[in-house]
Amino acid sequence: NAGVTQTPKFRVLKTGQSMTLLCAQDMNHEYMYWYRQDPGMGLRLIHYSVGEGTTAKGEVPDGYNVSRLKKQNFLLGLESAAPSQTSVYFCASSYSMSSGSSETQYFGPGTRLLVL
Amino acid sequence: GIQVEQSPPDLILQEGANSTLRCNFSDSVNNLQWFHQNPWGQLINLFYIPSGTKQNGRLSATTVATERYSLLYISSSQTTDSGVYFCAGGITGTASKLTFGTGTRLQVTL
Repeated sequence: NAGVTQTPKFRVLKTGQSMTLLCAQDMNHEYMYWYRQDPGMGLRLIHYSVGEGTTAKGEVPDGYNVSRLKKQNFLLGLESAAPSQTSVYFCASSYSMSSGSSETQYFGPGTRLLVL
Repeated sequence: GIQVEQSPPDLILQEGANSTLRCNFSDSVNNLQWFHQNPWGQLINLFYIPSGTKQNGRLSATTVATERYSLLYISSSQTTDSGVYFCAGGITGTASKLTFGTGTRLQVTL
């Protein structure tokens, strides 16, 4: 049981380049989330999903897009990276209908992104 | 939206000491969680505690929902307790979205 995994762990981009961050969970969770963490700050919600095929905006969605084509995967895309998107990105998941689990959020190890 | 305030922002303890971390919410929440971010960046969920008291080893948490605050107690601290402690709150049924505080940075020294 790997929990929540993220790919890649670290990436350097030039301004204007695009990339996709992949999040995968094997806990059959319904809800998935993408957060960013900047120095000295807590986590801020970028986008989230309440199920396969659904996505919604969080607190700081501008400059990002997401997709959830499969229940276990949640992709975060940067179409044209900017230095302001330099951050650590965390994926999380919660809530399994089949097991009736609580809304405890489980986090991946994070992706460190540097945009030059 | 919900505002989350954590105190103190920084804390230095000697090994073996006890501490209390506090989290205040600007509005009522019924989904409240505490997390520990270790020095390597990994976020670990400590408690899901919308109300009442829970204990897990040397850690315990109490949430007084009617007064919109939660406390995290660390007893007999160890160097492995170092890191940043975050509380986060939200409303169940809204995709369990959480708003995070800015954290309490804890350093436990020998």
